[in-house]
Amino acid sequence: EAGVAQSPRYKIIEKRQSVAFWCNPISGHATLYWYQQILGQGPKLLIQFQNNGVVDDSQLPKDRFSAERLKGVDSTLKIQPAKLEDSAVYLCASSRMGEFNEQYFGPGTRLTVT
Amino acid sequence: DQQVKQNSPSLSVQEGRISILNCDYTNSMFDYFLWYKKYPAEGPTFLISISSIKDKNEDGRFTVFLNKSAKHLSLHIVPSQPGDSAVYFCAAETYTSGTYKYIFGTGTRLKVLA
Repeated sequence: EAGVAQSPRYKIIEKRQSVAFWCNPISGHATLYWYQQILGQGPKLLIQFQNNGVVDDSQLPKDRFSAERLKGVDSTLKIQPAKLEDSAVYLCASSRMGEFNEQYFGPGTRLTVT
Repeated sequence: DQQVKQNSPSLSVQEGRISILNCDYTNSMFDYFLWYKKYPAEGPTFLISISSIKDKNEDGRFTVFLNKSAKHLSLHIVPSQPGDSAVYFCAAETYTSGTYKYIFGTGTRLKVLA
């Protein structure tokens, strides 16, 4: 089966600009996760969707970050406006409903904010 | 507050020898732990897990040991191979606000020397 797809793979923007990332999960996976991995740190969960509903967004900086998962499949994560400290790899993962321990990660999008 | 810690940022081991990667946690309520492996420009992939009802889990060359009293787990790779060179993250599963989430450590970069 095809894995989790993410695009773009790399993005360089200036601070205060906006950016969007796209994720296509594994077919049939109801749960989708967005993680932020800052250099030298482990991945940190930003938001978790179950189908098209938000399950957990407690660590999402809602003043600048937003995410949606229309139709319960693809998802987009947006940052507006970006700050220097948003430079990180943004990872998308998916899992089957109820199989939380079986998370499959995409390759990530490396964002550099200058 | 780093609840999952990997105090060794890097480790070098000769091919054929044992690699031991360590992880400490602070929350005694954690009851499920995982190890993920990450190659450059790829997303993390699941390697092995352990429940707190066990103190050891083995899968081929990979064994994870859990010492609950010390709040410590370790991943042993025997024998180490050059293809094992990657960043290894340990993660603890936690259940809060009605949902499960992972808390990742900062990672250990393993280099296996041929």
